[in-house]
Amino acid sequence: EVQLVQSGPEVKKPGESLKISCKGLGFSFTNYWIAWVRQMPGKGLEWMGIVYPGNSHTVYSPSFRGLTTISADKSISTAYLQWSSLKASDTAMYYCARQIDVRGVDWFDPWGQGTLVTVSS
Amino acid sequence: QSVLTQPPSASGTPGQRVTISCSGSSSNIGSNIVNWYQQLPGTAPKVLIYNNNQRPSGVPDRFSASKSGTSASLAISGLQSEDEADYYCAAWDDSLNGHVLFGGGTKLTVL
Repeated sequence: EVQLVQSGPEVKKPGESLKISCKGLGFSFTNYWIAWVRQMPGKGLEWMGIVYPGNSHTVYSPSFRGLTTISADKSISTAYLQWSSLKASDTAMYYCARQIDVRGVDWFDPWGQGTLVTVSS
Repeated sequence: QSVLTQPPSASGTPGQRVTISCSGSSSNIGSNIVNWYQQLPGTAPKVLIYNNNQRPSGVPDRFSASKSGTSASLAISGLQSEDEADYYCAAWDDSLNGHVLFGGGTKLTVL
């Protein structure tokens, strides 16, 4: 079964660092882009950026460039999203999703179960 | 504020047909395909429609979608209680070196 399994919920204080993960199972991880999507409490979906584990190439949303770091380790089929200094406004659910690309047509499937990040003093 | 504009809410009674609109611009919907995602309460989103009007296997044919110019729409016929969810349109945007845009989402209530 193709699936993305994300790391568990995190509770952090402002200023702390954090790295959450997304492990791909059941498919060739190096052949697909992996995206990260933020969903703040009660709000909609926001695309943060994407990584290609085959060569670690990343593309960031203009809204998130410089705020987070997206990376991947193809040897363990895992993508990461990390912060060096969290803010309360980073409190959100974070989803990873595999990007399927068929002849220039792409969409996200499947999605991970989500990682809830809570930042509070 | 999302550049893809959806109505914040929609509603219908069981068996009815409802439509959800998604309005964009020439840099996104006008030049790229539209996908639709369904997010049931408390769960991760899942793809509902890809490539403007294609249904993945397992998605009932009650769900359909179309695109025209810089707008797209999702239609749900024979509305069922389990369709109550948030629906998001999404499209690539060619501006600012390219990025994916999601609509603001539409909460569908089955009355």
